[in-house]
Amino acid sequence: DSGVTQTPKHLITATGQRVTLRCSPRSGDLSVYWYQQSLDQGLQFLIQYYNGEERAKGNILERFSAQQFPDLHSELNLSSLELGDSALYFCASSVGGRGANVLTFGAGSRLTVL
Amino acid sequence: GENVEQHPSTLSVQEGDSAVIKCTYSDSASNYFPWYKQELGKGPQLIIDIRSNVGEKKDQRIAVTLNKTAKHFSLHITETQPEDSAVYFCAASKGGADGLTFGKGTHLIIQP
Repeated sequence: DSGVTQTPKHLITATGQRVTLRCSPRSGDLSVYWYQQSLDQGLQFLIQYYNGEERAKGNILERFSAQQFPDLHSELNLSSLELGDSALYFCASSVGGRGANVLTFGAGSRLTVL
Repeated sequence: GENVEQHPSTLSVQEGDSAVIKCTYSDSASNYFPWYKQELGKGPQLIIDIRSNVGEKKDQRIAVTLNKTAKHFSLHITETQPEDSAVYFCAASKGGADGLTFGKGTHLIIQP
């Protein structure tokens, strides 16, 4: 157990729908990162939050949004889902928000869009 | 932005032999190079990392080397064991707000 908790583990939904993925960081970590893993694109960085504020943005689609709450858990919202959004979504956490941080990953949420 | 290339995509070695995975990066400002191991059904797990002020780092059967001039770094696993079978990812970061950029992964298969 890495200490990073992600729910749900598996999610099956239909095109056009909206889902929310949840992440609780490791105790003491202030940063949360979201990554998308698909077979052909590897691990793609989506977005980072540090202590409640957005810190960095990667290849996140406009249909996707995220936030980090005062208790430091984070949610990734995916809307108007398309077949191509089917992937593993990983959350990672780190102590700091800047510099070269050691990331600890959760076990992931597998999203299947039918 | 940073671009990380990783080779090979699949590597099969006999148990007990050594395995080497290589990565190149594009941004000379990158200064942190971690390696992650991902087992089936699990998230990536950090196995070793190196920062740009050192050229080599070892941890038991695992070592990482860094050549800043050539902008490449490698993972070396000696005396491979069945439990080393997994997907290995290299990554690079220059800190700041850019996060980690990952390579596409190497599927390491240890043949008994």
